[in-house]
Amino acid sequence: DAGITQSPRHKVTETGTPVTLRCHQTENHRYMYWYRQDPGHGLRLIHYSYGVKDTDKGEVSDGYSVSRSKTEDFLLTLESATSSQTSVYFCAISEQVNYGYTFGSGTRLTVV
Amino acid sequence: AQTVTQSQPEMSVQEAETVTLSCTYDTSESDYYLFWYKQPPSRQMILVIRQEAYKQQNATENRFSVNFQKAAKSFSLKISDSQLGDAAMYFCAYRSGLINNDMRFGAGTRLTVKP
Repeated sequence: DAGITQSPRHKVTETGTPVTLRCHQTENHRYMYWYRQDPGHGLRLIHYSYGVKDTDKGEVSDGYSVSRSKTEDFLLTLESATSSQTSVYFCAISEQVNYGYTFGSGTRLTVV
Repeated sequence: AQTVTQSQPEMSVQEAETVTLSCTYDTSESDYYLFWYKQPPSRQMILVIRQEAYKQQNATENRFSVNFQKAAKSFSLKISDSQLGDAAMYFCAYRSGLINNDMRFGAGTRLTVKP
């Protein structure tokens, strides 16, 4: 059991369409995060959650929204996808602030 | 805001040799944690090593060790006896000790291991 799973693993979508990425954990960790990875930028934080219905913006949150209605699920939504949102998206979980993250396997999203 | 800088976009090392990857960070906090993550071609992010800022002793995990210089805000990763499986992207990361804080990542260093 991986403890954290992301779906889908790959997705191609058209500009202007809504897209939702799902992150599911079985570890009961409090903290959940969405990052995007782009060449030359490392990983940049989009949104994060520190509890059910408690979320906050990261450094690249424009064009993205999130929801966490249950401890185990953290959804990332692109309301109207743009080509600049083509990226690899990672979900991560953490039990406490002094711990490292456990990452999902990533979602490669291509917006055409 | 805290920033993490990896000044070496690419590095290469001969198999069985030692290589050091550099990382510097900027912070005004005293309580924080530093990490190195490895990302092989599979895309999976793997925690390599972790260092608490309040500990003077450098962390070590088998062939991986760090040189943590708090005053200089430097956190380098040394890989000894390099193996082909060490080839990957390596990311340095900073995490504040404050509650509800996220992790900040450097841009990464791509390590190539030559047989």
